[in-house]
Amino acid sequence: DTAVSQTPKYLVTQMGNDKSIKCEQNLGHDTMYWYKQDSKKFLKIMFSYNNKELIINETVPNRFSPKSPDKAHLNLHINSLELGDSAVYFCASSQGAISYGYTFGSGTRLTVV
Amino acid sequence: QQQVKQSPQSLIVQKGGISIINCAYENTAFDYFPWYQQFPGKGPALLIAIRPDVSEKKEGRFTISFNKSAKQFSLHIMDSQPGDSATYFCAASYSGAGSYQLTFGKGTKLSVIP
Repeated sequence: DTAVSQTPKYLVTQMGNDKSIKCEQNLGHDTMYWYKQDSKKFLKIMFSYNNKELIINETVPNRFSPKSPDKAHLNLHINSLELGDSAVYFCASSQGAISYGYTFGSGTRLTVV
Repeated sequence: QQQVKQSPQSLIVQKGGISIINCAYENTAFDYFPWYQQFPGKGPALLIAIRPDVSEKKEGRFTISFNKSAKQFSLHIMDSQPGDSATYFCAASYSGAGSYQLTFGKGTKLSVIP
């Protein structure tokens, strides 16, 4: 029973397309995150939602829009995809303050061609 | 966003040896220092974490050493095994109420050779 699940695992799409990545957690956590991991493995936070409220919004192009319909779900929609968007996107969750650690999903590898 | 500097970028250790990965941080408000382990095709997983009120924490073959005055912490993997081959990330954060963001180091790719 996967704690943090992301779909799809792989996504190959053409430049200019719009795509979405879905994330669901069954841990009962109240905070969810999106991280981007580039080709050099660097993990950079993009967004964070606490109880469906946006609390972190790093410098990310407006083409990226997170949506949290409820505490257990955080989806990421990307408009007008660009080559530079190619990366692995990780969803994560935590309970309250992060001192108990994040639980990450297994990632979505996005390739823009 | 405060930086967490991690070194080395890659590390090759023979089976049975000790792997050591170092991190340094700048923000003196940080009070939570976890290490994450990531295998290829998987998400990072919490390995071990420490708070600055102790200088060392050990869990099995994994030990975190913490030097508050130097603002440095390190991960030691004793008796390294090929199954430990992965990318390791240090991270840091302020753990108080309303804190939700971990700042990650750039990762260390560890290869343990038989």
